[in-house]
Amino acid sequence: ETGVTQSPTHLIKTRGQQVTLRCSSQSGHNTVSWYQQALGQGPQFIFQYYREEENGRGNFPPRFSGLQFPNYSSELNVNALELDDSALYLCASSSSGQPNTEAFFGQGTRLTVV
Amino acid sequence: AQSVTQLGSHVSVSEGALVLLRCNYSSSVPPYLFWYVQYPNQGLQLLLKYTTGATLVKGINGFEAEFKKSETSFHLTKPSAHMSDAAEYFCAVTKTGNQFYFGTGTSLTVIP
Repeated sequence: ETGVTQSPTHLIKTRGQQVTLRCSSQSGHNTVSWYQQALGQGPQFIFQYYREEENGRGNFPPRFSGLQFPNYSSELNVNALELDDSALYLCASSSSGQPNTEAFFGQGTRLTVV
Repeated sequence: AQSVTQLGSHVSVSEGALVLLRCNYSSSVPPYLFWYVQYPNQGLQLLLKYTTGATLVKGINGFEAEFKKSETSFHLTKPSAHMSDAAEYFCAVTKTGNQFYFGTGTSLTVIP
């Protein structure tokens, strides 16, 4: 079975620009969660998608938006980039949104905003 | 509200010594607790989790953790550190499964 893959691995954007990050979930998984990990910090929950519907959102502004496709892959879009958006963005997939199911993380996308 | 506190942002141990990484949680209901490891430039890998049942949980690579409700703790231990254990360790809590709250992490250094 394939793991969780994220693209691109690294990205440099200018303040004010928009960015789209992509995540392919593990085979058989219908739930995808996105996290932001700033340097030296733990991951912060952005939102989760379950069967193409948003299933929970953390404390992030509306310029952070997402999408899940019928094949359960997902996108994270960030508009009007700010310097503080520089971080490692992690995607995690699981077979359900239940806490007793393991979430598998991708290697992340390192976003640098200059 | 849910949160976890990891005491000690950096821990150093000698190779072969006991590893103890501390995690305390705050939750209004019985939580689900997890430990993840992150190697440089990598994503997170699950070490172990507590959901229900036995309070002593065994994970991969010889790690284990004990859920102590009276102390609201879920400390991670390993009897004998190995050089390959050097990494960042994160404790996490969730109530519903759709939102994990992570601690700020503990960086483990293993001294030869």
